Amino acid sequence: AQSVTQLDSQVPVFEEAPVELRCNYSSSVSVYLFWYVQYPNQGLQLLLKYLSGSTLVESINGFEAEFNKSQTSFHLRKPSVHISDTAEYFCAVSEAQGAQKLVFGQGTRLTINP
Amino acid sequence: GAGVSQSPSNKVTEKGKDVELRCDPISGHTALYWYRQSLGQGLEFLIYFQGNSAPDKSGLPSDRFSAERTGGSVSTLTIQRTQQEDSAVYLCASTHPGRLAMNEQFFGPGTRLTVL
Repeated sequence: AQSVTQLDSQVPVFEEAPVELRCNYSSSVSVYLFWYVQYPNQGLQLLLKYLSGSTLVESINGFEAEFNKSQTSFHLRKPSVHISDTAEYFCAVSEAQGAQKLVFGQGTRLTINP
Repeated sequence: GAGVSQSPSNKVTEKGKDVELRCDPISGHTALYWYRQSLGQGLEFLIYFQGNSAPDKSGLPSDRFSAERTGGSVSTLTIQRTQQEDSAVYLCASTHPGRLAMNEQFFGPGTRLTVL
């Protein structure tokens, strides 16, 4: 079985500041890792994913996450945030063998202050 | 193309009544998942369909919950004798066959269920 821990339930930052949202997972088998974003009053959208290969993955809107197997982490970072990044961010894990359920963390609410 | 759609978007019901929630996956997506999102429990997996069969029902919280999928497309989640703790947002997701190996799930907007 897998589990995910998002260490911060809320992260307030100022606009244009850097941000890191932390995610740790546990699993006895190989995993895929995902970050989903939920903007206010909208559904979940895939932000980025790690399947294999390069441990650093990037999204189209400037976020990146690095898979660290030894630390079982998949932290999400952005060097300079915008007001539009205000949302709830969910880290998720699944077994790395095809269609599997996603196991989600509790979510981190990112609030950007002007 | 159209995304995953769910209906109704909001449902208010009285304790003890039955409810049906509907999910229309993206056309051609063979895998379908139900999750629920609640304040106390976060995002929890309920059930997974591959075609019309459900190889993983491990997340259904009680026998009051059931789901079916017909024609490899639309799915219905039924909750019988609703309880207040069933109040949550019920999310549906689907996956394209070509993306099954990557487990990339596309989510619908959800149905917000409130049990009074």
